[in-house]
Amino acid sequence: DAGITQSPRHKVTETGTPVTLRCHQTENHRYMYWYRQDPGHGLRLIHYSYGVKDTDKGEVSDGYSVSRSKTEDFLLTLESATSSQTSVYFCAIWSDRLNTEAFFGQGTRLTVV
Amino acid sequence: DQQVKQNSPSLSVQEGRISILNCDYTNSMFDYFLWYKKYPAEGPTFLISISSIKDKNEDGRFTVFLNKSAKHLSLHIVPSQPGDSAVYFCAASATNFGNEKLTFGTGTRLTIIP
Repeated sequence: DAGITQSPRHKVTETGTPVTLRCHQTENHRYMYWYRQDPGHGLRLIHYSYGVKDTDKGEVSDGYSVSRSKTEDFLLTLESATSSQTSVYFCAIWSDRLNTEAFFGQGTRLTVV
Repeated sequence: DQQVKQNSPSLSVQEGRISILNCDYTNSMFDYFLWYKKYPAEGPTFLISISSIKDKNEDGRFTVFLNKSAKHLSLHIVPSQPGDSAVYFCAASATNFGNEKLTFGTGTRLTIIP
């Protein structure tokens, strides 16, 4: 298995509270991504990172922010959680070697009540 | 704007027969395509990929076909096995490494009937 872990694996939080999800990798890969998976929508990109302090928005970035202060960690923050952010969140890493693939973490199931 | 489309939400196939999963894309900049398999409560796992310079790539029971002119790719699984029951996602990128976004389809749930 690729060295990628997500924490926490499950979380229940109240509407309006801030939440931070962590993605940690031991592969030293440059590129990291946060996706959310929802029924009927597949995997949608929230934010991604090209390297330390280098991030960009994906297609569903509203209400989310990210930070990458170290190569190995990519944090996803919900500034003020809403029920529409109840989802399963996946982190992925991808190397800069050609013809490779992105590896995914096990996911974080977040419920906003 | 769904740039990668999997129009069949579900597919059921008899064990031992061929499973064919389809994927269409609209962005002509996509140059590299991947298939992922996902079991419940797990992260997606990589199955097979294909670069736009090829029209076919095989790996054991899995073969991916790419038709660039039609902007269509398909995943063939032969023979299908019960363990193949999962959700399959098609994904596309403008490059064959991580410096571009990886865009996913909505997935096809494959059920293999024993």
